[in-house]
Amino acid sequence: QVQLVQSGAEVKKPGASVKVSCKASRYAFISYDINWVRQATGQGLEWMGWMNPYSGNTGYAQKFQGRVTMTRNTSISTAYMELSSLRSEDTALYYCARASYTSSSESPNFDYWGQGTLVTVSS
Amino acid sequence: SSELTQDPAVSVALGQTVRITCQGDSLRNYYASWYQQKPGQAPVLVIYDKNNRPSGIPDRFSGSSSGNTASLTITGAQAEDEADYYCKSRDSSGNHLVFGGGTKLTVL
Repeated sequence: QVQLVQSGAEVKKPGASVKVSCKASRYAFISYDINWVRQATGQGLEWMGWMNPYSGNTGYAQKFQGRVTMTRNTSISTAYMELSSLRSEDTALYYCARASYTSSSESPNFDYWGQGTLVTVSS
Repeated sequence: SSELTQDPAVSVALGQTVRITCQGDSLRNYYASWYQQKPGQAPVLVIYDKNNRPSGIPDRFSGSSSGNTASLTITGAQAEDEADYYCKSRDSSGNHLVFGGGTKLTVL
């Protein structure tokens, strides 16, 4: 069974950065994009961006442009999401998700998700 | 505010049929996918590419689309279907993804 296992909870001060990891197993890591989605407590899902593990190419939601960086280490099948200049509004559960396509897909489908990483931003 | 609009809450009697809708201009050009999220759990893909179910998703879940509206229908809702449901598609530019605001489904 495909697994995405994320790093543990983080507490950061405003202005700091956080780096969340997402370790993939039981599939070919470089064959599927990894997307990041966040969810503030009691709120909806918010797409942050994607990364292609093979090429390292990325695409970010406009809201996070300039603050988010998505990278990977293919030797250990791990994707990373780093968010900088943290503010209280960034307190949320951050998910990684594997993106899959079929021949008729018009956009990626998130077929496997990590368990989520809680990032708390507080002074 | 999201480019995809969902009703915040919908209720259905046990065993009855419920439709959850998602509206947005981009849906005229792109399929929606649907995700189910239960409290304390990660989302689960239930419908993709308009009307396909991943393995393990019951056939009471179906999807459809017309104009700027995508729909998720649950035929014969069960107690375990009580959850939040999110649609997802591309935004109006086609370059990025966007989720709807979510619909909380209550099974009475």
